[in-house]
Amino acid sequence: DIQMTQSPSSLSASVGDTVTITCRASQGINNWLAWYQLKPEKAPKSLIYAASTLRSGVPSRFSGSGSGTDFFLTINGLQPEDFATYYCQQYNTYPITFGQGTRLEIK
Amino acid sequence: QVQLVQSGSELEKPGASVKVSCKASGYTFTNYAMNWVRQAPGQGLEWMGWINTNTGNPTYAQGFTGRIIFSLDTSVSTAYLQISSLKAEDTAVYYCARVMSSGYSDYPSSLQHWGQGTLVIVSS
Repeated sequence: DIQMTQSPSSLSASVGDTVTITCRASQGINNWLAWYQLKPEKAPKSLIYAASTLRSGVPSRFSGSGSGTDFFLTINGLQPEDFATYYCQQYNTYPITFGQGTRLEIK
Repeated sequence: QVQLVQSGSELEKPGASVKVSCKASGYTFTNYAMNWVRQAPGQGLEWMGWINTNTGNPTYAQGFTGRIIFSLDTSVSTAYLQISSLKAEDTAVYYCARVMSSGYSDYPSSLQHWGQGTLVIVSS
């Protein structure tokens, strides 16, 4: 199975900050990587697919980059509604695997 | 718009069974694969497998074979997850999630639309 390692596991930041979350795959996954946002009691939200393609309706302050084994989710100018937990997911090969999550908290 | 609405929370005793539903709307149900994902308390997301909503053929992730069954009722655009012989470690939120692209291939997909999750608590 492909292991996905996210860092950091948690992150404190302030409204207006720019943050970057890293996701590393244990082997190359081309650009078959997605990012999701999870909030308690809400349906998970798909943010980005194919490493860098923003889903329709997702604010442009979110961006994804990377290919091969190293991927990044950047949020420019954090808004209050962005404080949540973020997961990466590889879909290059079955089984689908997720990173362990990054909890983004308000400083 | 696409919606996946899951059934409500369940409290079950060890050894019992539970069936979680995921009702889809806003698209042609049989054109898109449905996946199931688990999140145990304090843990990350874990992929359980998927079901071909056109043929009904399920694929289970390793570690989820034996006690879980994916099924469908296409007449009401609903997917089901059944877990039997429940154990305390089955306590989790279970999500259904629809893939991004229609059709079926040998390759996995990103998960574009998710249900709101169903909390299953297993406790005596």
